[in-house]
Amino acid sequence: KAGVTQTPRYLIKTRGQQVTLSCSPISGHRSVSWYQQTPGQGLQFLFEYFSETQRNKGNFPGRFSGRQFSNSRSEMNVSTLELGDSALYLCASSFGAGVQETQYFGPGTRLLVL
Amino acid sequence: QKEVEQNSGPLSVPEGAIASLNCTYSDRGSQSFFWYRQYSGKSPELIMSIYSNGDKEDGRFTAQLNKASQYVSLLIRDSQPSDSATYLCAVNGGRNQFYFGTGTSLTVIP
Repeated sequence: KAGVTQTPRYLIKTRGQQVTLSCSPISGHRSVSWYQQTPGQGLQFLFEYFSETQRNKGNFPGRFSGRQFSNSRSEMNVSTLELGDSALYLCASSFGAGVQETQYFGPGTRLLVL
Repeated sequence: QKEVEQNSGPLSVPEGAIASLNCTYSDRGSQSFFWYRQYSGKSPELIMSIYSNGDKEDGRFTAQLNKASQYVSLLIRDSQPSDSATYLCAVNGGRNQFYFGTGTSLTVIP
């Protein structure tokens, strides 16, 4: 079974631009969660989508948004990029409906904002 | 605020020794617990999950869970240089929301 895939793997943007990242979950998984990872802050939860609906949301500004499509693929968008948005963005997928859920991570998208 | 606490390390052990990694969590209602390994520049990789009190063994890895003490640990026996990585403790706090510790950096010295 194929794992979680993320595109692009690397991205360089300048301040003020916007960016869209994509995540395809493991086949059969309906939940996709997004995380931001920086050396100083560790893994910070952005949001989770399940069946095309945002089910959980972390404490990030409205510049960070996401969506999920009917095939469970998800995108996240960051508008008006700031230098501090430079990070590894990870998505993780799970079945999304059970107590003993396990998340599996994709390889991540490394974003550098100049 | 649901929290997961880990010692950041770094933890250094000689090759062949047992590495012990610890984690505490704040939400008493949590039911699922995980250890992920993350190599530098890579994404987290699931190595163990545990749901019931007690020990769970998988090869050289043993996860231990004590819900009364809100404590999860990971033991790595016969540590190898390839085990050098950051280990993340994660808790499923319900409704599929996961909480992660900041990770413990482990170095296995040949």
